[in-house]
This record gives sequence, C-alpha cells and structure tokens, in this order.
Amino acid sequence: GAVVSQHPSWVICKSGTSVKIECRSLDFQATTMFWYRQFPKQSLMLMATSNEGSKATYEQGVEKDKFLINHASLTLSTLTVTSAHPEDSSFYICSAAGETDESTGAPDTQYFGPGTRLTVL
Amino acid sequence: GEDVEQSLFLSVREGDSSVINCTYTDSSSTYLYWYKQEPGAGLQLLTYIFSNMDMKQDQRLTVLLNKKDKHLSLRIADTQTGDSAIYFCAESPSGTYKYIFGTGTRLKVLA
Repeated sequence: GAVVSQHPSWVICKSGTSVKIECRSLDFQATTMFWYRQFPKQSLMLMATSNEGSKATYEQGVEKDKFLINHASLTLSTLTVTSAHPEDSSFYICSAAGETDESTGAPDTQYFGPGTRLTVL
Repeated sequence: GEDVEQSLFLSVREGDSSVINCTYTDSSSTYLYWYKQEPGAGLQLLTYIFSNMDMKQDQRLTVLLNKKDKHLSLRIADTQTGDSAIYFCAESPSGTYKYIFGTGTRLKVLA
C-alpha cells in the first residue's frame, strides 16, 4: 500500500509556457500533499503544503503565482509552473500523507512520488 | 537554525556494514525517518523510529537514536551494491506534518 504516482515523469518545454504536474495517491486518501524541489546533488526543498479543498501554504521565498497548487480531491494534487523559465528546471517531487502504516504505527508518514524532471529550454 | 546535518559521502566494500549518521535539531520531533533515493527517482521510506525508542531493527537495518545528543544513525548490515544510493534522514517536529530533511549521504558500495 501507500503508492504515490506522478505524471509526467519528465517534461521538456519552451520558455514562457506553463507545465502541469500531477500527483496521485493510488491506494489511500491523502489528507495532506507536499511539493518539493530538488536541485542536483542537493536535499529536498519544501515548496508548499496543500490540504484537500483549501489553499496551499507556501514556504518563504516560493512565489505562489508562479507555482500554482491545486488539491481538488483526497487523491490528487497538481502543481502548475506558470511561464516557465530555464531557472525553473529542476526535479519536482510530491509526497502524500494521511495513511497510517498499521504495520509500523507511524502516523502522518509521507510517501513520495517518483519525481518529475522539468527542463525548460 | 533548522539544519539537519549528515556527512556527504560514505564508501564501503560489499559485505561490510555501513553506518550513516545524522544530527537533527528539534528535540520535539516525535518521529525520525530514513529514506533512500536512487538516481533519478523519488524517495523510498526505509524505516522510522519513534522518539521514545533507543533502537529499532528491521532485517539488515538498525536505527539508533541518542535523544540527548540529537543523533540518529542508520546501520546497514552486509551492504550490497544495490544499496548504493543517497540516504536522507528527516525529522518531523511535533504538531506538524512537515519534514526537515538532512543534506543526504551518498553511499557507494564497492564490489
């Protein structure tokens, strides 16, 4: 259980276009979803936290008009990079929380998607 | 600050044990996690430990927690080439879903 998918796994787009990335929890309902950005050989940087049906909470320094997050259901969150530029090129990873791992008892564990590599030309 | 520190690199020979260390910052963290990331992939949950535990063992993995020193370690017994990856520790401060990730340790297993 606790599988999270992302689509697409990679995308190349032209500068100025918008790109939408989907994050789905396949076998559980995600109370909260998170979006991270990871630069090469670096750790994950949390961009925003979203709860189903409410506005996302963005971390300091993350432009909410640039990175639009929608969490329309308990199994789907989307991140739209608007007017993408080469500096937005990165590896974007989502995670979902809400499943209690009954074998281990850890609540609120985050389960991660496989990531989406965005390249903006 | 909220820095979770890890050593950047570790190289071991196949069959040896690997020990990856992590120093975290928030003493209120209820759970501490270890994740594995292979190249170009997302993060795979390996194990976690509750803050009132000192040790947790799960097959080849042993997690040790020194709450006084805010030190967490992950020991991988009989390390295999398939264990080569980046390992992240993460703390989850009490009352929040958020994680604070460590800098990541790149483990290289030599055949």
